[in-house]
Formats: sequence, C-alpha cells, structure tokens
Amino acid sequence: EIVLTQSPGTLSLSPGERATLSCRASQSVSSSYLAWYQQKPGQAPRLLIYGASSRATGIPDRFSGSGSGTDFTLTISRLEPEDFAVYYCQQYGSSGYTFGQGTKLEIK
Amino acid sequence: QLQLQESGSGLVKPSQTLSLTCAVSGGSISSGGYSWSWIRQPPGKGLEWIGYIYHSGSTYYNPSLKSRVTISVDRSKNQFSLKLSSVTAADTAVYYCARYMTTVVGDAFDIWGQGTMVTVSS
Repeated sequence: EIVLTQSPGTLSLSPGERATLSCRASQSVSSSYLAWYQQKPGQAPRLLIYGASSRATGIPDRFSGSGSGTDFTLTISRLEPEDFAVYYCQQYGSSGYTFGQGTKLEIK
Repeated sequence: QLQLQESGSGLVKPSQTLSLTCAVSGGSISSGGYSWSWIRQPPGKGLEWIGYIYHSGSTYYNPSLKSRVTISVDRSKNQFSLKLSSVTAADTAVYYCARYMTTVVGDAFDIWGQGTMVTVSS
C-alpha cells in the first residue's frame, strides 16, 4: 500500500499570504492518479486538483498543483478567508485509493 | 448536475451489519468512465476509502476491510449500496459515497454525497 504523508500537519498563515502544502508518497505515484481536496467543517471534501496539476471545474486559479514521482505540492498563491480548511492529497495504486492524513490551514 | 445522497441507519449495534444506500440523481450510474465508491471519516480523523463498484457490478475493496465489505449496484433504481458486517466502535464514522472520474488528464473523486453519520453503539 502506498502511504501519503502530508506536511506540515498545521499551517498558520494570514489572508493574502502564499501557502505551500506538501504530499510525499512512500513509492512513486503516477501523476495521473494524484489529486487534492479541500474540506471545511461539516462538509464533504471538494475536488481541487486532479492529474497532479489540473484544476477542477470552478476552482480559482490561485490554486495550483505540481510535482511528480513521490513529491507533490499544492500551492495557494494568495490566501482568501474562505481557503482556511483541511486539505488532503489522494492517490490510486495497486491496493486501491489512499489519502494523506491532511494539512490544516488555519488563520494566523 | 449529478448529485449523490446517502441514506441508511444512523445507529448500529456492535457485531451487526451496517447498511447504507447512495442514490444517484441528475445522471445515470451506468455512464461510462466512472466508478462509484464508499469513503468514511471517523470523527476528527482523515479519510479512508472502503471500496468501489462499476455499473457492471465489478468491485474492488480496501484490503483492510475486504472480509467485511459488500458493495452492490441496483441499476434500475440508479443507486449503489454498502454493507459492512461485524461492526465495532471503530466503524463509527461519517460515510460518504463518491463518484470517481477517469479522464485523459487524470482521475479523481469529483462528486461527493453530503455524508451520513453512523454510530456503532449498544
């Protein structure tokens, strides 16, 4: 099973700042199978990025994804108040789907 | 706009079987290029994929849950279902159904239900 490790666990930033979230895989992941989600309290996760770097429908261009192999990054260029949430990366491999443990993005 | 809606028992006794259904509206569960999954999230914790089914009925389960999970599809009702047997308190979670899309650019869970809380308690 491929394990995804996200860092940091919690990221404290202010609106307007840049956020960089990391997702590291225990073995190489196809970029086609790497996605990022945003989850707010009491809500279902929302797809942000798929194929490592493609934005989902309706996602603002301040969200971007990059990376390959075992290292992937979600970047939010200028934080808006509504961006403070928990973010998960997810991959598909031979044992099915796995998620990272999440990064909580909180207001500083 | 395709939507998913979970339903089922919110309280299950230990050792019994959890049963949930996901109704698909605004589109057909038989559409090509998609699989249909169950995902759960214990209170305050992360996401765990349980398993998926294609409209054809073929399934794949999380190896850690495989012995207790059955996912089925009812194409006539445009819905799919989850059964998890021999539940314990560790199965207490919000259960989500979700659609997994496959595209030339990449794949992901693009549509999610709102989730339903299931508590295992006597």
